[in-house]
Amino acid sequence: DVKVTQSSRYLVKRTGEKVFLECVQDMDHENMFWYRQDPGLGLRLIYFSYDVKMKEKGDIPEGYSVSREKKERFSLILESASTNQTSMYLCATKAPLGTGGARSYEQYFGPGTRLTVT
Amino acid sequence: SQQGEEDPQALSIQEGENATMNCSYKTSINNLQWYRQNSGRGLVHLILIRSNEREKHSGRLRVTLDTSKKSSSLLITASRAADTASYFCATNGNQFYFGTGTSLTVIP
Repeated sequence: DVKVTQSSRYLVKRTGEKVFLECVQDMDHENMFWYRQDPGLGLRLIYFSYDVKMKEKGDIPEGYSVSREKKERFSLILESASTNQTSMYLCATKAPLGTGGARSYEQYFGPGTRLTVT
Repeated sequence: SQQGEEDPQALSIQEGENATMNCSYKTSINNLQWYRQNSGRGLVHLILIRSNEREKHSGRLRVTLDTSKKSSSLLITASRAADTASYFCATNGNQFYFGTGTSLTVIP
């Protein structure tokens, strides 16, 4: 089974702190994603990475950066945490479903990190 | 935004009843997927339906897709208390686009 783990389930930080959220996967997937989930807004993509040292902005990258130094690890960084970054953060990978023909993909999610910024 | 939208936002039913959730999306798709999220956890993939399919079954799950209306429905038959969760549709282009979810409560 694919396993995606996140370093913390719950995290409380102060405004202005630098925050690191770590995500590790054990299935050698090339693509990794960071989402945040807020009530009424669903999942919104912050950043994704399709290879080591490669990153792409998602829909809401402002206030965040990412690091992918190794294939299995994708880190989300809040340079200076703010209260509006209080949210549930979900890491995910992407893997193909089935073989041959037009490829479809499935996402595998970690358990989430609930971050509170006070 | 290419985000899907689920309807209703919340649904409460008795155990044994069927639960139907709907999803509408805005752009053309390769496929549409449904995910489940237990409270405070990550999402888990349930079922995928391709753009050239109209209906798909998996156990107690039945998914339909109407590409002309850009809509899909998820039916859970003979619901159980353990089905209580949030359900999301996701469209798959270069990225995944998730809806805001339907919160299902199954009352024992």
